[in-house]
Parts: sequence; structure tokens; C-alpha cells
Amino acid sequence: TQLLEQSPQFLSIQEGENLTVYCNSSSVFSSLQWYRQEPGEGPVLLVTVVTGGEVKKLKRLTFRFGDARKDSSLHITAAQPGDTGLYLCAGASGSARQLTFGSGTQLTVLP
Amino acid sequence: DAGVTQSPTHLIKTRGQHVTLRCSPISGHKSVSWYQQVLGQGPQFIFQYYEKEERGRGNFPDRFSARQFPNYSSELNVNALLLGDSALYLCASSWTGGGGELFFGEGSRLTVL
Repeated sequence: TQLLEQSPQFLSIQEGENLTVYCNSSSVFSSLQWYRQEPGEGPVLLVTVVTGGEVKKLKRLTFRFGDARKDSSLHITAAQPGDTGLYLCAGASGSARQLTFGSGTQLTVLP
Repeated sequence: DAGVTQSPTHLIKTRGQHVTLRCSPISGHKSVSWYQQVLGQGPQFIFQYYEKEERGRGNFPDRFSARQFPNYSSELNVNALLLGDSALYLCASSWTGGGGELFFGEGSRLTVL
């Protein structure tokens, strides 16, 4: 069974601070996705990383895929209250017919 | 264009009852997947259907079943409900049955008393 562990589970920071969320596994994934989920809504895809060592930037968000494709991180610069939400990593493998999700990081950015 | 729509949005059942959840994918999407999200956890894969055929099944008991219709909409059925079935049930659609972006609906919140 493939597992994805996310840390930290909860994170509360002040507006303007930087933060990093980690997603780790003992399994290799063909690709890894990051989603953000807000209360009462389904997860929304932020980014997909495919190549080991890949770095993608989305405005103030930087996503990294580990060289061995077993881990990933999400770094947010100068967090804003609008960044508040549940951040989920999800790995795809093989035929990618299903995603394995991490348990999520609940981020709260205080004004 | 409408996104993924799910119904009902909320429902309350008692133990032993049966429930049917419905999902309409984005127009043109041929694959539908179902996920269960228990409070405080990430979504867990239940089923994937593509072109009306089951393409994947997660580690869920036989009480869970699903099907996809010719118009690509889908139903998730759960029999003999248990307290532990209380969760947000998410439907996601995609163009194909392989990898690629999943578009999630807002989910059906099931409470089993």
C-alpha cells in the first residue's frame, strides 16, 4: 500500500510569513499533484510535477519534486489570508487510474 | 460551462440503510472517479469508471458499488450503512481514464446516525 505523509498537519501563521509543507513517501510516484481544498468545496488542482528534481512556480507558490520522485514540498512566500485552506498532495503511479492522497495540511493565515 | 455536479449535497441516514449518490461530470469528460474523505483526512480512492466500465477499485468492502451511465453520469451506492461511512463523498471527472487533471465536485456530505 502506498502512503503519503504530509507535515505539518496544522499550521497557523501571520500574514507575510513564509512556510513550507512537506509530502513524503517510501514509494515512487510517476507524478505528484498538489491540491487546495476550502470548506464545503472539492479539492482544486494547483500543480502537477512529473520529473524528478522538477521545480514549478505559481506566483508566490513554489513546488518541488524530489530527485527520486518519492517526496515533494510546497513553499509559500509572504502568505496571505487568502492562502488559508487544506493543502493536499496526491501521487499517481503506474497507469495512474487512481490518486493516493496525503492526509493534508490545514493552513491558517492570520491577518 | 458547468463543473462537476453532485447530489444530494447533504444527507442523513441511519445505520443499516442504503444510500445512492449521483454525479454529473463536466461535459465531454468520459471518466468519473469516486473518493471518500473522512473528516481530518485526505480523500481515499473508491472507484474509477471510464466509458461505462470499471477501471479501478480501492480497498472498500462490497457494500460499495457504482456504475456509469451512457451519458457518463455516475452513481455510487452504499448498502448496510455503518457509522464509519460518515464522510464527504467526492466525485471527480477527467477527459480520459489515465493520468491527468481531476476536476472535483463539491461533494455529498453523508452522516450516518
